[in-house]
Amino acid sequence: ETGVTQSPTHLIKTRGQQVTLRCSSQSGHNTVSWYQQALGQGPQFIFQYYREEENGRGNFPPRFSGLQFPNYSSELNVNALELDDSALYLCASSFRGLAGDDEQFFGPGTRLTVL
Amino acid sequence: DQQVKQNSPSLSVQEGRISILNCDYTNSMFDYFLWYKKYPAEGPTFLISISSIKDKNEDGRFTVFLNKSAKHLSLHIVPSQPGDSAVYFCAASESRGSTLGRLYFGRGTQLTVWP
Repeated sequence: ETGVTQSPTHLIKTRGQQVTLRCSSQSGHNTVSWYQQALGQGPQFIFQYYREEENGRGNFPPRFSGLQFPNYSSELNVNALELDDSALYLCASSFRGLAGDDEQFFGPGTRLTVL
Repeated sequence: DQQVKQNSPSLSVQEGRISILNCDYTNSMFDYFLWYKKYPAEGPTFLISISSIKDKNEDGRFTVFLNKSAKHLSLHIVPSQPGDSAVYFCAASESRGSTLGRLYFGRGTQLTVWP
């Protein structure tokens, strides 16, 4: 069973640039959630995708956008990067069935630094 | 607004003794609670969960207690081992039985187990 993988591991960008982070779900999972973890904080929910559609969004501006592909992999795109976007970005996958969502399994994260 | 709070940023315990990690929440709609463990350079790993219809759930050395009236849960680790040293996150969800699987996280507690 393949776990959740994310790429790249680390990334350095400058203010105003755009970035795309990628996530491959765990085998058998159909739902992907993205979280931002700033230094010293817990993960904060950005949004969730199910069946290629956004299914819930946290308190993040529209310049944070995402995609889910037919194979359930996902991308997180951030436009017009700001210094405060520097954080660990975590992807989590889970299985959604008739009874609701099972536990979310996290990838190792992408460390984004904005200079 | 932090809906899940872990007020102790760190805890130090001797090997073999009990570790008790605490978590408080404010949202009475939360009905499912989870603990995740996180090692450096890795994503959070699911540890144990509890539904609001229970007040205790046990899995080996790990037990989670839920006090709904006090909006408080705790994770007990007995006996503690040096390998348990990690950051522990408390998380909550308001819809285990439906399809909105957003997790709200606390800021985490760094547990250090010394020999």
